Amino acid sequence: NAGVTQTPKFRILKIGQSMTLQCAQDMNHNYMYWYRQDPGMGLKLIYYSVGAGITDKGEVPNGYNVSRSTTEDFPLRLELAAPSQTSVYFCASRPPKAEAFFGQGTRLTVV
Amino acid sequence: RKEVEQDPGPFNVPEGATVAFNCTYSNSASQSFFWYRQDCRKEPKLLMSVYSSGNEDGRFTAQLNRASQYISLLIRDSKLSDSATYLCVGGTGFQKLVFGTGTRLLVSP
Repeated sequence: NAGVTQTPKFRILKIGQSMTLQCAQDMNHNYMYWYRQDPGMGLKLIYYSVGAGITDKGEVPNGYNVSRSTTEDFPLRLELAAPSQTSVYFCASRPPKAEAFFGQGTRLTVV
Repeated sequence: RKEVEQDPGPFNVPEGATVAFNCTYSNSASQSFFWYRQDCRKEPKLLMSVYSSGNEDGRFTAQLNRASQYISLLIRDSKLSDSATYLCVGGTGFQKLVFGTGTRLLVSP
């Protein structure tokens, strides 16, 4: 059972570089989420999606973009990496009214 | 005001103690509530859902108070293995899930 798969697990970016964090789920869940977690802090919602073609901003969307062309995939794009985006990024999915399942996270460092 | 607020702790308790965490939410339209557990540098994992009537799972009891807009988690007979960060989660409608900042629990021998 794969569940929610995030790639890569670790990445170091230089300031100004771009990258896409991948997230895929095989549970046919409608809802998907991207969170970031800074050291010693809670999870902050970046973007979420309630189905293919539908996305919405969370608490901290600036500097990020998302797309949802299929039910399974929900990539997160960083266009111009900044040191403030150094964080652990978690992707999650869930069916309506039920709990969310998380991927193992992507640890991103911007230098 | 944050949508979901928790006391960050840490709560330091001896083994066998009973400890309670509270979490308040600001959006009265919130429909879904959960408690998650997060171990250091790991992904959050569901501890239990929170139902209006309250629910219990072994040593853990969760309650929801809609009038006062808070949820609680009670842990009885604390074990060393309970040491972790506990995150409460509130959902606006059935879509958006917002996490609290987490409460750190340290159980000592």
